[in-house]
Amino acid sequence: QKEVEQNSGPLSVPEGAIASLNCTYSDRVSQSFFWYRQYSGKSPELIMSIYSNGDKEDGRFTAQLNKASQYVSLLIRDSQPSDSATYLCAVKSDKLIFGTGTRLQVFP
Amino acid sequence: DAGITQSPRHKVTETGTPVTLRCHQTENHRYMYWYRQDPGHGLRLIHYSYGVKDTDKGEVSDGYSVSRSKTEDFLLTLESATSSQTSVYFCAISESTSGGAAGANVLTFGAGSRLTVL
Repeated sequence: QKEVEQNSGPLSVPEGAIASLNCTYSDRVSQSFFWYRQYSGKSPELIMSIYSNGDKEDGRFTAQLNKASQYVSLLIRDSQPSDSATYLCAVKSDKLIFGTGTRLQVFP
Repeated sequence: DAGITQSPRHKVTETGTPVTLRCHQTENHRYMYWYRQDPGHGLRLIHYSYGVKDTDKGEVSDGYSVSRSKTEDFLLTLESATSSQTSVYFCAISESTSGGAAGANVLTFGAGSRLTVL
């Protein structure tokens, strides 16, 4: 069974620090990788997508993909309390599979 | 949630009753999806549609049926609700699912429908 694994957390970081969220996947032929943010009681929203090995930066967010090691990560620089949410990793090969999410808490 | 609305947002019903959840989009996207989200399981695909009257099963389709008679509407029906179907249901839309192209499989989610089956 194809799987996407995330540590459920919570991951607690102080304001201004770098938050590092990790995700591993089992299907080697996966081609598309996504990070969604979900605030409590709200719907998921896409924050990053990455399709090739390496880093992709968008503002304070950096997605990192390593297909050989089958992991994708999300770095959040200068973390803010407003970043406190659950971050869902999603991976697509023939179908899109979501991880269960990592809860991030950023404390002042 | 702009462009995609779900109704009802909250519903409490009793075991054995039929329930229909509605998803309406104004984006004219081809693909529409129904997911359920439960603690410890993440988002799981129930059914999806790739066009009017074109639907297919996801990983947790038992007990659910769907219909899409118009591009903008995708209905999820629980013919006889059970307590195991208590969940938060999300509708999602996407423009494309092809390969690794930019934008492929980018989902936009509705606000969710919280269903409680007593």
